[in-house]
Amino acid sequence: EIVLTQSPVFYSVPPKERVTITCRASQNIGITLHWYQQKPGQSPKLLISYASQSFSGVPSRFSGSGSGTDFTLTIDNLGVEDAATYYCHQSSIFPHTFGQGTKVEI
Amino acid sequence: EVHLAESGGDLLQPGRSLRLSCVASGFKFGDYAMSWVRQGPGKGLEWVASISWNSAAIFYADSVKGRFTISRDNAKNSLFLQMTGLRAEDTAFYYCTKISGSAVGAAFIDSWGQGTLVTVSS
Repeated sequence: EIVLTQSPVFYSVPPKERVTITCRASQNIGITLHWYQQKPGQSPKLLISYASQSFSGVPSRFSGSGSGTDFTLTIDNLGVEDAATYYCHQSSIFPHTFGQGTKVEI
Repeated sequence: EVHLAESGGDLLQPGRSLRLSCVASGFKFGDYAMSWVRQGPGKGLEWVASISWNSAAIFYADSVKGRFTISRDNAKNSLFLQMTGLRAEDTAFYYCTKISGSAVGAAFIDSWGQGTLVTVSS
């Protein structure tokens, strides 16, 4: 099973700052790494697919990068509406797995 | 617009069985793979099972293999999860999710339902 390790687990940041969340895979997964945002009381929403492809309708302040085993999600100009938990997810090999999540508090 | 509506969640005792359903709309259901993902109270996301567009490819998490069965009825735009031998650790919100392509591998989840709560407790 591929283990995804996110860091940090918790982030407290003032508005307008930049946030960088990392996701490390236990083995090479190419670019089959995706990012989701989950706000309290809501279901997750797709932000980034295949490491760096922004999903339709996602604000441009969200961006992703990486390949192989190391990936990052960057949120520029953080807004209060970005308070959420962010998860990475790999679909390279079954069982598909998720990172443990990074809670961003603003 | 994609809409996924789960139903069937309930409170039940360990060892019992339950069937979850998901009705899809807003897209051609039969063209896409689907998955179930669960989330325990206050916990992270856990992939449960995936099924290809034609049911030819099915995969399960080790934690549910042999107890849960994923299936679909393309004529009724519906996805199912039959759960047997339920355990306390199966307590979670169960999300019906749409995969970005027809196959289950190397694709991503592009839509999520609102979830249905399954509580297993004596």
